[in-house]
Parts: sequence; structure tokens; C-alpha cells
Amino acid sequence: NAGVTQTPKFRVLKTGQSMTLLCAQDMNHEYMYWYRQDPGMGLRLIHYSVGEGTTAKGEVPDGYNVSRLKKQNFLLGLESAAPSQTSVYFCASSPRGGATDTQYFGPGTRLTVL
Amino acid sequence: QKEVEQDPGPLSVPEGAIVSLNCTYSNSAFQYFMWYRQYSRKGPELLMYTYSSGNKEDGRFTAQVDKSSKYISLFIRDSQPSDSATYLCAMSLFSGGYNKLIFGAGTRLAVHP
Repeated sequence: NAGVTQTPKFRVLKTGQSMTLLCAQDMNHEYMYWYRQDPGMGLRLIHYSVGEGTTAKGEVPDGYNVSRLKKQNFLLGLESAAPSQTSVYFCASSPRGGATDTQYFGPGTRLTVL
Repeated sequence: QKEVEQDPGPLSVPEGAIVSLNCTYSNSAFQYFMWYRQYSRKGPELLMYTYSSGNKEDGRFTAQVDKSSKYISLFIRDSQPSDSATYLCAMSLFSGGYNKLIFGAGTRLAVHP
């Protein structure tokens, strides 16, 4: 039982390049989330999904797209990377979206955009 | 003004000390209050959550919520070097069909032997 895994762990992009971050969970959770973590800002929600085939915008969605084609996977895409997207990205999952449904986080992806 | 304010530290204490970590918030609609621990280069993990005002204890950890003052605290007794991490407070609000979490920026704690 690996929990939540993220691929890749590190990545360096040039401005304008694109990439996809992959999140996978093996806990059969319905809800999945993408956050970014920046110094002094805390974790901020980018997009989330309440089930296979569904996605919704979070607090800071601009410049990102997501897809949830399979229940266990949640992909985060950057179509044209900008230096402002340099951050640590965390994926999380929870059984459902209730107040007592713990969000389990992956180990993060460190992205640098030059 | 941020909805959740948390002093970033760093906080450095000797082993065995009592540690107090705090957050203030502005939105009285927050329903649940959580503390996450994040080790360096790892993802956050949930330590404790509380719902109502008062104290909740779990081993060496005590979470305290004062809704009237919009203030929450995490106390760590007999702190250990293994407690060295960043501690994030988080508040929940049911919005848009799911439990939205608002995080503080985190307080970095170092416990030295």
C-alpha cells in the first residue's frame, strides 16, 4: 500500500515549456486535490476532483489544467510554464469530501521554471 | 489580510521543552481545526483535528481551540528531536460540495538535543 505517489520528484523547465505531473493513489479514494506550496503562503488549492471524470477549480487555477480519467490518477498540466509557477506541488486524496475525511498527501514535486 | 495567520518561526527549543504553536483566523465560519506536521522534503501528515472550543489530547500533543478569540494552539510536551518539522494549522469550511481546507504558512520547529 503505497498511499499517494507523485511523479516526477524534481523538474526544471524553461519558460514556455509544458509538462504533466502525475498523482496516483491506491486507497480507492473518491476525492483528489492538487496544491502548491510557496514560502510564506501555505498550501493553496489549484484544482480538485470529487470523482472519476470530474474536476473543479480551486483557489489558484490559472495556468493549470487537470484531468481525472481514472479514479486512481489525477494529472496536473502546465501548458506554458512561467517563472511564477516555480513551487512545490503536492497531490492529496481523501475518501470523500467530509470535514472528518483526512486528506493524505504525496511527497511532492519540486518544479523550477527558468 | 490572510484568513489564517501563523508565525513562520523558526522556533528553536531544547529537548524536553514544552512547545506552543499558534494560529489566528478571521473567518468565524470555519468548522474544523487541524494540525499537520511536515518533515523536510515530505508531504504534510495530519496530527490532530478538533471541532469545538476546548482541548483535545493525544499523547504528548494537545490541541486547543478558542472560537471566541479565533485562536488555536498546539502544545507539544517533552519535545524530542524527532518533533523537528514544520507544523501547519488548517481550518475547514464546507464549500462547493467539499471540505475546503485553508492552511497557515507553517511554523518551523527545531528541537535540539
